[in-house]
Amino acid sequence: KAGVTQTPRYLIKTRGQQVTLSCSPISGHRSVSWYQQTPGQGLQFLFEYFSETQRNKGNFPGRFSGRQFSNSRSEMNVSTLELGDSALYLCASSFETGFEKLFFGSGTQLSVL
Amino acid sequence: AQSVTQLDSQVPVFEEAPVELRCNYSSSVSVYLFWYVQYPNQGLQLLLKYLSGSTLVKGINGFEAEFNKSQTSFHLRKPSVHISDTAEYFCAVSATGGGNKLTFGTGTQLKVEL
Repeated sequence: KAGVTQTPRYLIKTRGQQVTLSCSPISGHRSVSWYQQTPGQGLQFLFEYFSETQRNKGNFPGRFSGRQFSNSRSEMNVSTLELGDSALYLCASSFETGFEKLFFGSGTQLSVL
Repeated sequence: AQSVTQLDSQVPVFEEAPVELRCNYSSSVSVYLFWYVQYPNQGLQLLLKYLSGSTLVKGINGFEAEFNKSQTSFHLRKPSVHISDTAEYFCAVSATGGGNKLTFGTGTQLKVEL
């Protein structure tokens, strides 16, 4: 069974640009969550999608958005990039939501110059 | 809202020695508790979780943790560590009914030395 796949693995952007990150969950999983990991702030929850509906949202500005498709694949978008958006963005999937084991991808390392 | 405190940012230990990584949490509602491990350049992997029932939880790779409600703690232990246990360990909580919105601690870097 393939794991959680995140693309691209590395990304370099400049301030003001926008970026789209992709996550393919494990087959059959309906929940996809996104987390931002930085040395200063640690791991912070961005949002969770379950069966195409946003179930939860963290405390991030509106520049951060996401969506989930009918095949459970998810994308997150960051508009008007800032230097502080440089981080490892991790995607995690599970079949149900709330009490199950999360399966994490290896992440997308975003660098904003 | 929930918060998690991992008191030790780094824990050095010799191979085959026991180790305890400390985690305290704060929440006004019932929570689920988790320990995840992150190896370099990889995502997180679940070690164990506490949902309800027995307060002693056993996980993968010989790790176990004990839920202490009165002390709001969920410390992770292993009786004998191996070099391959060198990694960063994260304690996390989620509110029951709160979906997959996990609040993570700042992590503890476990360094196992020969």
